[in-house]
Amino acid sequence: AQSVTQLGSHVSVSEGALVLLRCNYSSSVPPYLFWYVQYPNQGLQLLLKYTSAATLVKGINGFEAEFKKSETSFHLTKPSAHMSDAAEYFCAVSDNAGNMLTFGGGTRLMVKP
Amino acid sequence: DSGVTQTPKHLITATGQRVTLRCSPRSGDLSVYWYQQSLDQGLQFLIHYYNGEERAKGNILERFSAQQFPDLHSELNLSSLELGDSALYFCASSGTGRLQNEKLFFGSGTQLSVL
Repeated sequence: AQSVTQLGSHVSVSEGALVLLRCNYSSSVPPYLFWYVQYPNQGLQLLLKYTSAATLVKGINGFEAEFKKSETSFHLTKPSAHMSDAAEYFCAVSDNAGNMLTFGGGTRLMVKP
Repeated sequence: DSGVTQTPKHLITATGQRVTLRCSPRSGDLSVYWYQQSLDQGLQFLIHYYNGEERAKGNILERFSAQQFPDLHSELNLSSLELGDSALYFCASSGTGRLQNEKLFFGSGTQLSVL
């Protein structure tokens, strides 16, 4: 069964600093990987997804993620944090049939002025 | 606005009671998913319906059941409620239910408090 692990339940960065949120996956087959963001009192929104077309995936709001098979990782980055990026970020993996997403435990990003 | 509507937004009830959560998917979406979000368990997949039929089941308790109606709205029924059932319940929808190729659209959730 597929699973994802997010390292660090809380990450704090200064405004303008690099954002790095870590995600490692476990899958017996090439995975379909996703990053979702949850702003306070809202549902989740898709940031980006990896579906094997390219290892570097660009998403919305300046975020991108790189799929590294050798490291079984799919870390999320953004060169310069904005205050509006403060939210909870979830890495997810799809099952083989695409019937469900399994989410990691989430990482709460805090951005300091 | 994701286009997915969940009602009610908040629900407060007592242990042992039964509640029904309702979800209307985005117009045209055939698939509905239910997730439970709690502090200790995180986001847990409960169940997926596609065009009225159950397609996948996750960590859903036997006290919980769901269905998708011909108009594609879905209901999640929670019975014999326990304190530990207190959580945020999300509904999400997608077009065809093949998540390799499409994304989930989430509602704002129903906050259930069991006292």
